[in-house]
Amino acid sequence: GENVEQHPSTLSVQEGDSAVIKCTYSDSASNYFPWYKQELGKRPQLIIDIRSNVGEKKDQRIAVTLNKTAKHFSLHITETQPEDSAVYFCAARLSSFNKFYFGSGTKLNVKP
Amino acid sequence: EPEVTQTPSHQVTQMGQEVILRCVPISNHLYFYWYRQILGQKVEFLVSFYNNEISEKSEIFDDQFSVERPDGSNFTLKIRSTKLEDSAMYFCASTKRGEDTEAFFGQGTRLTVV
Repeated sequence: GENVEQHPSTLSVQEGDSAVIKCTYSDSASNYFPWYKQELGKRPQLIIDIRSNVGEKKDQRIAVTLNKTAKHFSLHITETQPEDSAVYFCAARLSSFNKFYFGSGTKLNVKP
Repeated sequence: EPEVTQTPSHQVTQMGQEVILRCVPISNHLYFYWYRQILGQKVEFLVSFYNNEISEKSEIFDDQFSVERPDGSNFTLKIRSTKLEDSAMYFCASTKRGEDTEAFFGQGTRLTVV
């Protein structure tokens, strides 16, 4: 099956700096890669996703890049704000299965 | 915005007892899932459900677990005889279609087995 690895496990940045979280996956058949943000005690919320036919996607301060050859994808947050502090999960979905494989999560702390 | 809702938010149960976790998926969604997250660990897939039957399950989802859609709205996860290691956050999710679509997650039920 698929195996998703996520790094780093914790990330601390100064407000205004950029944050990058990286994930790798093992199964080249995966074709959908969402990123979820989970604030303390709340549900995981989709913040951005990318499909395998696209290399990069951007939504305001958030961007995701996908390298299919290397089987890795990254989340980029620019101009970080304290409200970006949360746990971020990457996930991969195999095209022929209807389940997600999650990374272990990155706790992002944005210091004001 | 439509949401997946789960009840209860927190359940404490004695080891060996049965628990039922409840979920109301988004009304026009067709695929339903249960995931769990043991404290400090990854979110893990348990089971997917479509057309009133299990479509896929993980090795975690053994005979102690069952799922049901008893009516047109609820989707339940039953753990027949809880063990200490079942303590986790359980998330329900739903998708409109089976592939390549956004999964909406409920807020989770924290199950504590004592």
